[in-house]
Amino acid sequence: DAGVTQSPTHLIKTRGQQVTLRCSPKSGHDTVSWYQQALGQGPQFIFQYYEEEERQRGNFPDRFSGHQFPNYSSELNVNALLLGDSALYLCASSPGTGGSKAFFGQGTRLTVV
Amino acid sequence: AQSVSQHNHHVILSEAASLELGCNYSYGGTVNLFWYVQYPGQHLQLLLKYFSGDPLVKGIKGFEAEFIKSKFSFNLRKPSVQWSDTAEYFCAVNPKAAGNKLTFGGGTRVLVKP
Repeated sequence: DAGVTQSPTHLIKTRGQQVTLRCSPKSGHDTVSWYQQALGQGPQFIFQYYEEEERQRGNFPDRFSGHQFPNYSSELNVNALLLGDSALYLCASSPGTGGSKAFFGQGTRLTVV
Repeated sequence: AQSVSQHNHHVILSEAASLELGCNYSYGGTVNLFWYVQYPGQHLQLLLKYFSGDPLVKGIKGFEAEFIKSKFSFNLRKPSVQWSDTAEYFCAVNPKAAGNKLTFGGGTRVLVKP
């Protein structure tokens, strides 16, 4: 049984470019959340998708957007990349939206140069 | 908005020493509480969780945590650490009214010397 898988594992982009990160949730999970983990800090909640809609959002600008597909997989898009967007982006999946155990992927390391 | 603070950024211990990591949160309502661990090169894994009931919860690998509601604390403990416990530990809070959004502390890096 595959856990949460994210792709790519590493990515280097230039300031101003756009990036798309992908996440496949654990089997049986229908909710996907995205987190940003800057170096030396704890993960920060970006947003959560359930039933193909954004359900909750953290304190991130509109440059950060997402999508969830009918198979529950999800994408995180970041436009107009800034140097400060360099971080580990984590995807977490869970069954439903009501406060339960979240399983995390290994993350995508994004470096903006 | 809720926040989570972890008291120590770095902890260095010898094998067999006892470990206690502090975690305090600020939120007035009912919360679910978690400790996650991130071993070098691996993904975040759940160590233990508290939803309700007995405030002393036991997790994997000999870890336990105690929820003290009056102190808004959820400290993690292990009586005797091993070299393999070297990792970064994150406390996280999920207000029950907030779906399953997690607010994490800044993490504590634990180095266990053999």
